[in-house]
Amino acid sequence: DTEVTQTPKHLVMGMTNKKSLKCEQHMGHRAMYWYKQKAKKPPELMFVYSYEKLSINESVPSRFSPECPNSSLLNLHLHALQPEDSALYLCASSRIGQGDNSPLHFGNGTRLTVT
Amino acid sequence: AQKVTQAQTEISVVEKEDVTLDCVYETRDTTYYLFWYKQPPSGELVFLIRRNSFDEQNEISGRYSWNFQKSTSSFNFTITASQVVDSAVYFCALTLNFNKFYFGSGTKLNVKP
Repeated sequence: DTEVTQTPKHLVMGMTNKKSLKCEQHMGHRAMYWYKQKAKKPPELMFVYSYEKLSINESVPSRFSPECPNSSLLNLHLHALQPEDSALYLCASSRIGQGDNSPLHFGNGTRLTVT
Repeated sequence: AQKVTQAQTEISVVEKEDVTLDCVYETRDTTYYLFWYKQPPSGELVFLIRRNSFDEQNEISGRYSWNFQKSTSSFNFTITASQVVDSAVYFCALTLNFNKFYFGSGTKLNVKP
């Protein structure tokens, strides 16, 4: 079982809808990430939160809005998406600091389809 | 700039064959970390191994082994006696600071019975 939990597993939304993807981890990791993965491609970094603060935004369109309410939760709010935004959205976490950084631990992902 | 290259897009082998997945990386930093991940059809990326730039020891874990060579900037992954369950996409990745992880394009491994 993965220690990073993502909900929902599948999501179909229209271009005018507003929806949110959720991610939760209880490993005490202080870095959390959103990645987007298109078919047959590697994951592409979207956002990084370090100690609940947004540290990296890879020039992601504003129709994607991340939120980190606390150290265990990470949300991705979606609004006015385009069909080309259909992809697998992966959340990850890692332990950082104190010279003991860990690899990325990924969730199972949310498969998003925009119609 | 950092870059990871996995030149093999797809490899097909028959069960019990050995197979090596290549990974070549580029960075000017002297401190960096390398990883291999497995992504089965279910979608989750599963961590396999991490290597620090200052530790060139090769590693073996069951049927898996990794060959890290700084002289050629390579971090290759060998599966011995492959099994159907090894079928997946394998990604090599590099990070300097655990903020940005640079992924290779992935190698799809098909193991046929």
